[in-house]
Amino acid sequence: DTGVSQDPRHKITKRGQNVTFRCDPISEHNRLYWYRQTLGQGPEFLTYFQNEAQLEKSRLLSDRFSAERPKGSFSTLEIQRTEQGDSAMYLCASSLSGRSSGANVLTFGAGSRLTVL
Amino acid sequence: GQNIDQPTEMTATEGAIVQINCTYQTSGFNGLFWYQQHAGEAPTFLSYNVLDGLEEKGRFSSFLSRSKGYSYLLLKELQMKDSASYLCAVANQAGTALIFGKGTTLSVSS
Repeated sequence: DTGVSQDPRHKITKRGQNVTFRCDPISEHNRLYWYRQTLGQGPEFLTYFQNEAQLEKSRLLSDRFSAERPKGSFSTLEIQRTEQGDSAMYLCASSLSGRSSGANVLTFGAGSRLTVL
Repeated sequence: GQNIDQPTEMTATEGAIVQINCTYQTSGFNGLFWYQQHAGEAPTFLSYNVLDGLEEKGRFSSFLSRSKGYSYLLLKELQMKDSASYLCAVANQAGTALIFGKGTTLSVSS
């Protein structure tokens, strides 16, 4: 297993365009997370899936953001009508659910850096 | 809600010991985590505490006091490669996701 993979690594787009990011988690992990990180800040939680079900979504998340995990494996994060404020690193992470807090040991991908011009 | 505070920047010299503090306020507690993030890279897991006390892992140790809402990460025998951002995170009330602080940028000089 090569860890969590994200694609593309870099995306430059014009304001108003739609973009989609893909995440392939560690194969045996059933939980998948999307975070956003800007310079000098920690990762900000966006949304979380357990298998194919989206169980939690940040209240701060705009309606322009949508995420899917159709078969409980890879996930996509789409941003519609991008704005300059969407420029950030979009991080995907995965974990294996369990009874202990060890379940929250997230393994992160290298991220997809979005620049909106 | 959750609030996590940690210093923005710290500096230290090679071979020294540094302690990075983290205070938190949460509506529920499901564990405190430390991650390391080098510039331009993904965060990587260092340690977690769910009970009070010290967890030691080689050169890195993490301490937790739940009654004080306080944790620290102790780095010993600092090396240049330890220059990175150190992120303190707490699990949300449901225990399903991690909420991160803004991170402490540590610069190690020779």
